[in-house]
Amino acid sequence: DTAVSQTPKYLVTQMGNDKSIKCEQNLGHDTMYWYKQDSKKFLKIMFSYNNKELIINETVPNRFSPKSPDKAHLNLHINSLELGDSAVYFCASRQRTSGKETQYFGPGTRLLVL
Amino acid sequence: AQSVTQPDIHITVSEGASLELRCNYSYGATPYLFWYVQSPGQGLQLLLKYFSGDTLVQGIKGFEAEFKRSQSSFNLRKPSVHWSDAAEYFCAVAPKGGYGGSQGNLIFGKGTKLSVKP
Repeated sequence: DTAVSQTPKYLVTQMGNDKSIKCEQNLGHDTMYWYKQDSKKFLKIMFSYNNKELIINETVPNRFSPKSPDKAHLNLHINSLELGDSAVYFCASRQRTSGKETQYFGPGTRLLVL
Repeated sequence: AQSVTQPDIHITVSEGASLELRCNYSYGATPYLFWYVQSPGQGLQLLLKYFSGDTLVQGIKGFEAEFKRSQSSFNLRKPSVHWSDAAEYFCAVAPKGGYGGSQGNLIFGKGTKLSVKP
């Protein structure tokens, strides 16, 4: 009965590869997010999706592309991986209703690019 | 610019001692305020949140936080720390009514690592 789930939990890959991280939420929320946590534990927003529309994109390289097949899923696809992409990526979701602004996070995907 | 400051990078307390983690924010208006905890190798768990009303909010695991508008602060407290509280703690803010602008994305502080001595 996990609320927000991500797969895989760990991802080790070579530079230049293309990879995807999947995120699913069973909370019925209508907004989903991707955050990046760097090696210093700093968390920063990458994307948010609401009803299949990209709402924000915080200067993320276009090698990163979120894909939402439906309201419950927001996958992150990364092309031509670089060393600097090594980080922990967190998915989150929220219901855009006043009083329910709390975001719930997935367990994270630890990406290591060699 | 919107920002969240957690002035303490690392704090060590003895088990059973009290704890206060500081958080200050810079924002145009009072935002929504959150504290999250991240245990080693784990995801982010919500400890508590402040939207409006009573400025002292209670959370899970015996934590509480007090919102002080005059100081733009939202400090986290616990009267007696347990060894299992050792983790990274993040303060975060989100804009109110963010349905036309930033859509409610969280802005995080850089975190405070809590170590607990036996």
